[in-house]
Amino acid sequence: NAGVTQTPKFQVLKTGQSMTLQCAQDMNHNSMYWYRQDPGMGLRLIYYSASEGTTDKGEVPNGYNVSRLNKREFSLRLESAAPSQTSVYFCASSVEDSNQPQHFGDGTRLSIL
Amino acid sequence: AQSVTQLGSHVSVSEGALVLLRCNYSSSVPPYLFWYVQYPNQGLQLLLKYTTGATLVKGINGFEAEFKKSETSFHLTKPSAHMSDAAEYFCAVSDRKSGYSTLTFGKGTMLLVSP
Repeated sequence: NAGVTQTPKFQVLKTGQSMTLQCAQDMNHNSMYWYRQDPGMGLRLIYYSASEGTTDKGEVPNGYNVSRLNKREFSLRLESAAPSQTSVYFCASSVEDSNQPQHFGDGTRLSIL
Repeated sequence: AQSVTQLGSHVSVSEGALVLLRCNYSSSVPPYLFWYVQYPNQGLQLLLKYTTGATLVKGINGFEAEFKKSETSFHLTKPSAHMSDAAEYFCAVSDRKSGYSTLTFGKGTMLLVSP
């Protein structure tokens, strides 16, 4: 009964380092999403994948890349981490229908020094 | 473009008091509407949603929300607060026009419950 699993849960990076955040879902959902959460800002969409084989930019894509590896997995990569990317990152998934809710992982807390 | 406004970044109530968390949206067509709750160090959990039909929607943990098209609002209420309701609450909208569920979130309201 895992739902959406994110790894790692915590990570500290130095400026300029690269990092890939992993996300996997076991609900057979077509759509997957990456958000960042910052204090007082709510959640902002970074990238999403409406279905396997497609990815699209969200509200704040700069500095990030994504890969939809297969139907289950959707990874987020920071090529050259910057302090402004210190945040909590959430992965979510849903069926491919706009009236259906998204299911969220527990987040990755990322600090960039 | 859609937007969501949650009035009040923090709301404080006493245990047993009415909870009212406000959400207004801006959209060219009535969107689908969601309330999520986030407990410390956890992800978001769905409380309730409005898609079509009855405008008063009941969710988990005794929460409910009413969709008012004329006021472009979807306020969340609970008759009697419990200490376990202390969390951050997010209102979100989904564009009916898209075939998939991209959400626009409000900035969140932290609910504080005192004994």
